[in-house]
Parts: sequence; C-alpha cells; structure tokens
Amino acid sequence: AQSVTQPDIHITVSEGASLELRCNYSYGATPYLFWYVQSPGQGLQLLLKYFSGDTLVQGIKGFEAEFKRSQSSFNLRKPSVHWSDAAEYFCAVGAKTSYDKVIFGPGTSLSVIP
Amino acid sequence: ETGVTQTPRHLVMGMTNKKSLKCEQHLGHNAMYWYKQSAKKPLELMFVYSLEERVENNSVPSRFSPECPNSSHLFLHLHTLQPEDSALYLCASSQDGELGTEAFFGQGTRLTVV
Repeated sequence: AQSVTQPDIHITVSEGASLELRCNYSYGATPYLFWYVQSPGQGLQLLLKYFSGDTLVQGIKGFEAEFKRSQSSFNLRKPSVHWSDAAEYFCAVGAKTSYDKVIFGPGTSLSVIP
Repeated sequence: ETGVTQTPRHLVMGMTNKKSLKCEQHLGHNAMYWYKQSAKKPLELMFVYSLEERVENNSVPSRFSPECPNSSHLFLHLHTLQPEDSALYLCASSQDGELGTEAFFGQGTRLTVV
C-alpha cells in the first residue's frame, strides 16, 4: 500500500538550532517526493521536490532534503532555524500524472523557542 | 494575482444552507484538486479534475458536488452539510507531465457548519 509517515507529530527547537524532520514512504513506482509548509491559516507552500538526479535537493528558505532509496526516506533539514519557521510541515509522495493521487503525510508541527 | 485564489476565505453556514466555494488558478495548469483538512487528520483528497474531467472521487458524500467549467475554475457546491464537515478546504492545481504533479495550493476556505 502507498503511504507516507512522519514519525514526529510535534517538534520544538530553539532558534538557531539545527532541524531535521523525518519522512518515510511506501510507494510502488518511482517516487516523486515533496515537502510542503503550512503557516497558520494559510495554504500549503512547496519547499522543495525530488524527481531524479542528485539525492540532496535544495529548497527555499534555507531548507534541504536528502533522498535515501535504501531507507525509503526523504528527511528535511535546516542548519539554523528561525522563529518564522514555526509551522506545519508535510511530506508528500506524488506521481507522474494527476491520475495517481498525491499522498500526504500527517504532518509535523514545528515550534521555535526564541 | 496569486497563483491559486480561493473565495471566500471564511464561511459559516447552517446545515440547511446551500453555498459554493470557488477556486481560480492563473498558472495555466491542466489539473485541479479539492482537499479537506480537518484538525488532527491527514490531508484528504476529495476530487481531482484533469482536463476538466473528473478523474477521482474518493467516496465523498453527495452533499459535496464539484464543478469544473473550464481549466482555470473549480467550484465545490455545498448543501445539507453536517457539523463534522467543518474544516479547511484547500484547492490546488498542477500540470501533468514528466516532472510529476507538483501542486500549487490556494490559501483555503475555513468552513464552519453550525
């Protein structure tokens, strides 16, 4: 079965500290992987995506993610967190066409301590 | 103009009312989606339209009725809703193709059923 898991429901970090959000997936075909961020009361914004090639991808706002096929993981990282990064983060597995639905993980809520 | 625009941003309706949510995308995409986001639940895909034809309907109750008159507009008609339908309804669009379905989201409509 196709699925996306985000083991951490909620994470709290201090401003300036490093961050890693975990994502594991189960997908039968070639995975197209995404990380989205959702600020309170807003829609989802794409942070970064992986389709092929270099397994370390860079995104907006200083985020990066690494695809590890052997571990079926796509973890999101940031070396130094800012207070404005407090939000909900969603990992997603997509497909080539809209006929194959995009599967979202349950989300990880990030709080940042000043 | 932002990429995907949803109106209204907030809606309060009684269980006997009829209302519609509107979504408009200015990105030239050929696929549009309705998602439901409830508190403490994963994002739920409700409907997918590709080239203005419905290709996915995830067992959504008939009190939700989508309409896609053209590739830029998507509606969700609501009638006889229940309190448990209160949620954030997100619209998204994407362009089918080799690079996968990267979805662009609107800011959502916060629906409260009383």
